[in-house]
Amino acid sequence: DSGVTQTPKHLITATGQRVTLRCSPRSGDLSVYWYQQSLDQGLQFLIQYYNGEERAKGNILERFSAQQFPDLHSELNLSSLELGDSALYFCASSVEGRPSNSPLHFGNGTRLTVT
Amino acid sequence: GESVGLHLPTLSVQEGDNSIINCAYSNSASDYFIWYKQESGKGPQFIIDIRSNMDKRQGQRVTVLLNKTVKHLSLQIAATQPGDSAVYFCAESGHQAGTALIFGKGTTLSVSS
Repeated sequence: DSGVTQTPKHLITATGQRVTLRCSPRSGDLSVYWYQQSLDQGLQFLIQYYNGEERAKGNILERFSAQQFPDLHSELNLSSLELGDSALYFCASSVEGRPSNSPLHFGNGTRLTVT
Repeated sequence: GESVGLHLPTLSVQEGDNSIINCAYSNSASDYFIWYKQESGKGPQFIIDIRSNMDKRQGQRVTVLLNKTVKHLSLQIAATQPGDSAVYFCAESGHQAGTALIFGKGTTLSVSS
């Protein structure tokens, strides 16, 4: 168990809808990262927060947004969902703000299915 | 641009053999490299990391080798076991602020007994 908690584990919704994925980092970790993993694909970096502030941004669509709250949990909001948004969404956390300073520890993901 | 790739999408070995999983990276500014193992239905699990000031690092049954000259990274697993069957990802990052951890597409390791 990595100590990173993601909810829900599974989510099925329709096109055009909006969903919120939640992540609780490991105790003591200040950074939260979001990744998307599509079928047979690697992990695509979406966005990183460090102690409540956006630290790095990857290939995140404008329909997607995220935030990190004062208690350090994070939420990823996906709106106007399309079939192609179906994927596994992973959250990871680390102690420090740079991946090179402390390894990322991943949760078990939220599987999103858009029908 | 930044990209991390792997030489082979799949690797099949016999139990007890040594496995070598390769990875090529293209960003010469990357100075931190890491290997993850992902089992079915789970998130990636940290295996071992290495910084660019090293060319080899050993863990328990695993060794990571870094060749900066040809931008190549490899993961060696000694005495491979069925429990090692998983997808293995290499990832890279730079030291600059705002640098993300970029993953390759993964190699599926299948271990038969």
